[in-house]
This record gives sequence, C-alpha cells and structure tokens, in this order.
Amino acid sequence: AQSVAQPEDQVNVAEGNPLTVKCTYSVSGNPYLFWYVQYPNRGLQFLLKYITGDNLVKGSYGFEAEFNKSQTSFHLKKPSALVSDSALYFCAVRSLWGTDKLIFGTGTRLQVFP
Amino acid sequence: DADVTQTPRNRITKTGKRIMLECSQTKGHDRMYWYRQDPGLGLQLIYYSFDVKDINKGEISDGYSVSRQAQAKFSLSLESAIPNQTALYFCATSQGTQETQYFGPGTRLLVL
Repeated sequence: AQSVAQPEDQVNVAEGNPLTVKCTYSVSGNPYLFWYVQYPNRGLQFLLKYITGDNLVKGSYGFEAEFNKSQTSFHLKKPSALVSDSALYFCAVRSLWGTDKLIFGTGTRLQVFP
Repeated sequence: DADVTQTPRNRITKTGKRIMLECSQTKGHDRMYWYRQDPGLGLQLIYYSFDVKDINKGEISDGYSVSRQAQAKFSLSLESAIPNQTALYFCATSQGTQETQYFGPGTRLLVL
C-alpha cells in the first residue's frame, strides 16, 4: 500500500536559518512526489514535484527538495527561511503503477521566528 | 488558485440536512477530485472523476455523493449531514495522468 510519513508535526526555525521539512514514502514502483503549502484560510498551493531525472528539484519561493531513493525520502529544504514561509506543508505521493490517486501526509507546520 | 472556485466558502448546517458543495474550474482539466481535511489527518480523498462519465469512490465516500454536471463542474453532496462531517473540504483538478493537482480555496463546513 502507498503511504507518506511526515514525522514532525511542527518545525521551528529562526529567520535566516536553513530549514528542512521531512518526508518519507512507501510505494510500489517508482514514485511521483509532490510538496504543497497551505497558508491560513487558503487552499493548497503546489510547490514542486519529482517525476524523474535530477534528484534535486527546485520549486517556488526558493524551496527545493531532494529525492533519495535508498532512504525513500523527499525532504523539503530552503537555505534561508523567511517569516512569510510560516505555513502548513504537505508531502504527497503517487505511484506510477497505482490507481493514479494522490496520497497525502498529515502535514508539518513550519513556524519561522523573527 | 482562482482557476478553481468553490461555493460556498463557509457553511453551517444542522444534523440531518442535505447540503451541496460546488466546484468549478476554468483550467480545462479533465480530472476533478473532492478531499476533506481534518486536523492531524492530512487530506483524505472522498470521490474523484476522470471525465464526465467516470466517477470513482475514494477512501472515505460513505455519506457522500457527487455529480459531474460538465467537465468544468463537480458537486459534492452530503445526503444527511452529521457532526463528524465537520471539516474543511477541497476540490482539486488535474489534466491527464500523473500530473499536478490544483486546489480550490476550500469550503469550511460546520454540522451542528
């Protein structure tokens, strides 16, 4: 069965410091992996995705994510956090050979302090 | 994303009432989805539709029904609302297989 785990409910980081939001996955076959962000009272916004190719994926707002097949991870990173990055972040996975449904993690709340 | 709209944005209803949540999109996508979001549970798929004639149950379809009136419209109905259906509901769209889903702003539903 497909699954996604976001082991941290909340991540706290000081503005200007690097941030990492963790995600691990379990799928049959090769995965499609996504990161979405949800700001208060807003829908989910697409940040980036990995399909194939370069393991380091660059996305919106300066975010990037690294696909690690051996560790089945897809951690979201940013070199220098901004207070405006504070939001709820969701990792999601879809199997290339699955039922074409997107499976979401439970979300990680990122809090960036001034 | 303004290309995917949901109405109403907020709704309060009573147990046993029938309500409908509506989703419209101008992206021209063929696939549409309904999710619910509960704190600590992430998003769970209720129903999805790959085209107007194709409707599929998701993980938590009990107590819900859907209608795909046109390629651009996908409605979610709660036939007899109950308090544990209180949640934030999202519509999403995508084009073709393995593509990014784009979400509407959500409908916050409270069932008393």
